[in-house]
Amino acid sequence: AQKVTQAQTEISVVEKEDVTLDCVYETRDTTYYLFWYKQPPSGELVFLIRRNSFDEQNEISGRYSWNFQKSTSSFNFTITASQVVDSAVYFCALSGRELIFGAGTRLAVHP
Amino acid sequence: GAVVSQHPSWVICKSGTSVKIECRSLDFQATTMFWYRQFPKQSLMLMATSNEGSKATYEQGVEKDKFLINHASLTLSTLTVTSAHPEDSSFYICSARTGAGRTEAFFGQGTRLTVV
Repeated sequence: AQKVTQAQTEISVVEKEDVTLDCVYETRDTTYYLFWYKQPPSGELVFLIRRNSFDEQNEISGRYSWNFQKSTSSFNFTITASQVVDSAVYFCALSGRELIFGAGTRLAVHP
Repeated sequence: GAVVSQHPSWVICKSGTSVKIECRSLDFQATTMFWYRQFPKQSLMLMATSNEGSKATYEQGVEKDKFLINHASLTLSTLTVTSAHPEDSSFYICSARTGAGRTEAFFGQGTRLTVV
């Protein structure tokens, strides 16, 4: 069975702090995709990154970075120098035979 | 990248009426589309998987007669909430897959349904 676990339900930080959101997945598929989405209070899902199972290179996009480690089945997301606008719910998702989401991590960044 | 358009983005309807939500893949053919539902402050729960030209596969606990899914073409899937009730109020989002099997998927913008 496939599963995505985001163990952190809520995280609260002060602006400019770095924060890492954890994602651990389970799958028997050898080919799959991992995603991170941001859901601001307005509700829409904002695509952040898609990574396929054969590409373990870490990626950096501005203040965002992702660490994909197949050996530990983790795809963690770090926001550097967090800002209030980063406050949202962040979902990790796995696309294999099915397409499933983690429970989400609610990030609150305070001024 | 591929685009999935979902319409409407929000809808308010009266109890007992039916509401149709459309999900279109704009620049690719989607052999498989997924429909999700999200209750406030919860994750997205898969409701059903629809394959073009065949009946949708519903997840356990989802009433197929209440949530009608039609995937008549490779670019369009519809979700109809029949005889809507206030408890059906939720955020519904679709996702489209470009090919069979374990290919990547793209998401629509979501539809916020409020039943009054």
